[in-house]
Amino acid sequence: EAGVAQSPRYKIIEKRQSVAFWCNPISGHATLYWYQQILGQGPKLLIQFQNNGVVDDSQLPKDRFSAERLKGVDSTLKIQPAKLEDSAVYLCASSFKLGTGNTEAFFGQGTRLTVV
Amino acid sequence: AQRVTQPEKLLSVFKGAPVELKCNYSYSGSPELFWYVQYSRQRLQLLLRHISRESIKGFTADLNKGETSFHLKKPFAQEEDSAMYYCALKGAGGTSYGKLTFGQGTILTVHP
Repeated sequence: EAGVAQSPRYKIIEKRQSVAFWCNPISGHATLYWYQQILGQGPKLLIQFQNNGVVDDSQLPKDRFSAERLKGVDSTLKIQPAKLEDSAVYLCASSFKLGTGNTEAFFGQGTRLTVV
Repeated sequence: AQRVTQPEKLLSVFKGAPVELKCNYSYSGSPELFWYVQYSRQRLQLLLRHISRESIKGFTADLNKGETSFHLKKPFAQEEDSAMYYCALKGAGGTSYGKLTFGQGTILTVHP
């Protein structure tokens, strides 16, 4: 089966610029996650969708980060304006359903963002 | 709040030696626990989950609710096991239902 697709793979921007990342989850997966992974740290959950609704966005810096999943399929994550500390790998993951049991999360390759 | 702690950032063993990667969690309820692995230049992928009680690539992990631990073990490490390993917890109820939280990760290096 096709995996989780993310683009772009790499992005370099200057601070205060804006950037957007795109994710296409596995077909039929209702749950979609965006994670931020700073070098040397574990993935940190930014936002979690169930279909097109937000389940958890408690760790999303809402003054600069936004995410949407309008039709319950693809999702975009935006940063505006970017700061140096936003340099990280942004991971998208999807799972069949929200609850427990058969809920393995499948990950994309990630987008490596460098803010200079 | 749910939290996952992996106390060892780096772990080095020789080929054929036993290996144990530690994971402790904090969660008020019955969570679902996972181990994910990331090999060099590959995406993060599931290694095993506690519900399945399975052995994958010789690795096993037992959920110990009393000690709130989910340590990953393998009796004889192989060089191809060298990778980054993440312990993860999925909330099973309340406000954390379905929330997937990761530990900081442990880099395992298996020397020949």
